[in-house]
Amino acid sequence: DAMVIQNPRYQVTQFGKPVTLSCSQTLNHNVMYWYQQKSSQAPKLLFHYYDKDFNNEADTPDNFQSRRPNTSFCFLDIRSPGLGDAAMYLCATSRGPSNREQFFGPGTRLTVL
Amino acid sequence: AQSVTQPDIHITVSEGASLELRCNYSYGATPYLFWYVQSPGQGLQLLLKYFSGDTLVQGIKGFEAEFKRSQSSFNLRKPSVHWSDAAEYFCACTTSGTYKYIFGTGTRLKVLA
Repeated sequence: DAMVIQNPRYQVTQFGKPVTLSCSQTLNHNVMYWYQQKSSQAPKLLFHYYDKDFNNEADTPDNFQSRRPNTSFCFLDIRSPGLGDAAMYLCATSRGPSNREQFFGPGTRLTVL
Repeated sequence: AQSVTQPDIHITVSEGASLELRCNYSYGATPYLFWYVQSPGQGLQLLLKYFSGDTLVQGIKGFEAEFKRSQSSFNLRKPSVHWSDAAEYFCACTTSGTYKYIFGTGTRLKVLA
C-alpha cells in the first residue's frame, strides 16, 4: 500500500546532541511537510518542500533544518536539541496544486534527556 | 486573520449516543475543509474532506460532516458512537492559494461504556 513512513518511531537524544528524523513516501507526491506536535496541541508546521523548493515557516527556529534529496525522502535535522524540542514530529505529503489533501505518517516521538 | 475554531476541548458521550463536533472557520477565500482523527501516539488519519459540491460529505468509520457557508461551519457528526471512536479530532482548513493547513486546537472525545 502507498504510504508515508517515518523512522524511527521513537527517538531518544541528549540535550545538545544532533538528531535526524527520517520520512519516506511511496505516494510520489510533490509536497512534503514537517510538523511539530506537543502534547494536547494541534500540529505546528515547521516547513514544507514543493519538489525541491524549500519553504520555511517564519517562526521555525534555526535549530531545525530539513533536506529532501529526492522525491521519496525528507529529513528533519535538529542541530542542538533542547528540552523544549521534545515532541511528536509528523511528516505529511500532498500531491500538489490540484489536490491539497495531506497524508500523514505515524510520527516520531522525540525525547530529549 | 485566518483561523479555525473548535469550541469544545473535551466531549464525553456514552457508547451508542450520537455525536457532533463543532468546527468554525474564518477565511476570506473559498475553503477546503478536513476532519482528521488522531489516536494516542499515532499520526493523523483523514476522516473526510470538503472541496466543493454537495455540502453533506460522507467519510470513513460512519462519520459525516456538513458544510454551511452561511455559518462558516463544518461540523462532524456520527449517529452512534463506538468505544473505538475515543480519540482526538482535528478540523483543518486551507485554500487554493497555499499549501498550509490551519488546524483547530482539537477536541478530545471520551466514550463511556
